[in-house]
Amino acid sequence: SQTIHQWPATLVQPVGSPLSLECTVEGTSNPNLYWYRQAAGRGLQLLFYSVGIGQISSEVPQNLSASRPQDRQFILSSKKLLLSDSGFYLCAWSPRSYEQYFGPGTRLTVT
Amino acid sequence: AQTVTQSQPEMSVQEAETVTLSCTYDTSESNYYLFWYKQPPSRQMILVIRQEAYKQQNATENRFSVNFQKAAKSFSLKISDSQLGDTAMYFCAFNPYGQNFVFGPGTRLSVLP
Repeated sequence: SQTIHQWPATLVQPVGSPLSLECTVEGTSNPNLYWYRQAAGRGLQLLFYSVGIGQISSEVPQNLSASRPQDRQFILSSKKLLLSDSGFYLCAWSPRSYEQYFGPGTRLTVT
Repeated sequence: AQTVTQSQPEMSVQEAETVTLSCTYDTSESNYYLFWYKQPPSRQMILVIRQEAYKQQNATENRFSVNFQKAAKSFSLKISDSQLGDTAMYFCAFNPYGQNFVFGPGTRLSVLP
């Protein structure tokens, strides 16, 4: 069966520091991968999606970037965090069909 | 732009009772999927139920069922025999074929003992 992992689960970082969040999927190949951000008590905002290695599409211009160095690995990064980057970050994967399955998420607090 | 609206920010229901969560969406697409996701306090997003727009029959998963009205662009979720574990945020989502998901703002459901 397929599983999706995210780490770290919780992160507290100062403003101006770099960021690297990792997402990996097991038990499938060539999935579509997604990064979402969820502000407290709010809905999901799609940040990036990827249909293959090295293929990244950005939905919202911002302080973040994404990379897909391997088929089942998706990384969210920032060179310098802003206070507004705080939130709950969810990674999701989708088979080449229509459902999305979510990881456990990373709670990021920028201080 | 395609949008999903959930007009009930918060709802509550007594344990063992039935509750219906509303969702409407706006699209010009004719082929798409609709979903309800549940996000409990753990914040893990869990797929509850899905509906394919070309199917007229409403989807059902145990205590969860939907009322899909394609012409009205309405997709409500009915939870029967509510349980304490149903307490969560519920997100309605719309996925046109070959495009990205669009999520609604969510409805916070509290099941009261």
